[in-house]
Amino acid sequence: KNQVEQSPQSLIILEGKNCTLQCNYTVSPFSNLRWYKQDTGRGPVSLTIMTFSENTKSNGRYTATLDADTKQSSLHITASQLSDSASYICVVSPGEAGTALIFGKGTTLSVSS
Amino acid sequence: DAGITQSPRYKITETGRQVTLMCHQTWSHSYMFWYRQDLGHGLRLIYYSAAADITDKGEVPDGYVVSRSKTENFPLTLESATRSQTSVYFCASLAGLAGGGDEQFFGPGTRLTVL
Repeated sequence: KNQVEQSPQSLIILEGKNCTLQCNYTVSPFSNLRWYKQDTGRGPVSLTIMTFSENTKSNGRYTATLDADTKQSSLHITASQLSDSASYICVVSPGEAGTALIFGKGTTLSVSS
Repeated sequence: DAGITQSPRYKITETGRQVTLMCHQTWSHSYMFWYRQDLGHGLRLIYYSAAADITDKGEVPDGYVVSRSKTENFPLTLESATRSQTSVYFCASLAGLAGGGDEQFFGPGTRLTVL
């Protein structure tokens, strides 16, 4: 069964600290993996996308890694800001048109001052 | 407004009533999707459409009806709302591979409460 598991479920960190969110997937075939950020009361917004041949991708203070052999991905947030408080969702696409996405349940990050 | 919009943003209805959630996108994307998001679950696909007049079921289609007479609109109808359909509903669109990628762009969501 295609599944995406994320950990931790929730996380609280102090402003300025770094953190790493984890994503394990059992999806086949594999096309790409995205990390989405979802602010409270809003729709998800794509942060990064990685295909099978890519093992790291950065977007500002966000750096995603992918190990296609172990089927694991991580999202590292550097020097966290209050605005990073959100849910981060790992999404795997098994197909070419991106229609049948497999969503993780998300990690809720709270950044406090 | 450019992008993808949903209306209403909030809706309270009663069990048994028909409810229609609207979704409009200005990009002329081929694909459109409806998801529901509930605590303890990831986003789950209800229905999707590859083009006007082409729709297909997703993971949780029971109790929902969709239509797509125009490329830019993709309404979702709950024919007889039930309490289990209380959720946040997200519409998304996708250009398709020819459009330069497979990123789905999400609307702001509609919070539906069924009493």
